[in-house]
Amino acid sequence: GIQVEQSPPDLILQEGANSTLRCNFSDSVNNLQWFHQNPWGQLINLFYIPSGTKQNGRLSATTVATERYSLLYISSSQTTDSGVYFCAGGDTGNQFYFGTGTSLTVIP
Amino acid sequence: DSGVTQTPKHLITATGQRVTLRCSPRSGDLSVYWYQQSLDQGLQFLIQYYNGEERAKGNILERFSAQQFPDLHSELNLSSLELGDSALYFCASSIGNEQFFGPGTRLTVL
Repeated sequence: GIQVEQSPPDLILQEGANSTLRCNFSDSVNNLQWFHQNPWGQLINLFYIPSGTKQNGRLSATTVATERYSLLYISSSQTTDSGVYFCAGGDTGNQFYFGTGTSLTVIP
Repeated sequence: DSGVTQTPKHLITATGQRVTLRCSPRSGDLSVYWYQQSLDQGLQFLIQYYNGEERAKGNILERFSAQQFPDLHSELNLSSLELGDSALYFCASSIGNEQFFGPGTRLTVL
């Protein structure tokens, strides 16, 4: 199966700081998503981004499909951004693979 | 709210028992996916159904089975439960490639 590596594994930020999370895939994926798992366990869609760049408020994401990586940018972080961020992608056999996540803590 | 519903929210049962988790996809979505999230294995894809037919199989144990009904809701059956089956079980649905997740069912096996 496809290996999904996320970095960093843990991140502590002061409120207002910016950060970049990275996701590397061991093989090409035909779809790519970023999720935020909040402290209550819910998985919230952030981006569906198989290629290119998208922005949504303080968050943006870029996927370079040819180099098999994606980046998630969080600007002006807030305490509500805390949680675990996952990237995931699917292969041609319709299997879907999640990374191990980046645990983000934003302190006031 | 993603529009995907799962019941029950919590389930506590004993080893050796059998449980059924239920998922209702978003209106119009034909695909349903099941995932298991445990502390040691992370988030793992179990199985996908598309319009009632099994489409892809991941790391699903033989003790586990699923089906999707004509109204498109899906059930995940877990039998001969072991302590290690304690986990958060998610259902997701999609009409294209983007998946939307339900709130999950937290299963505790004692």
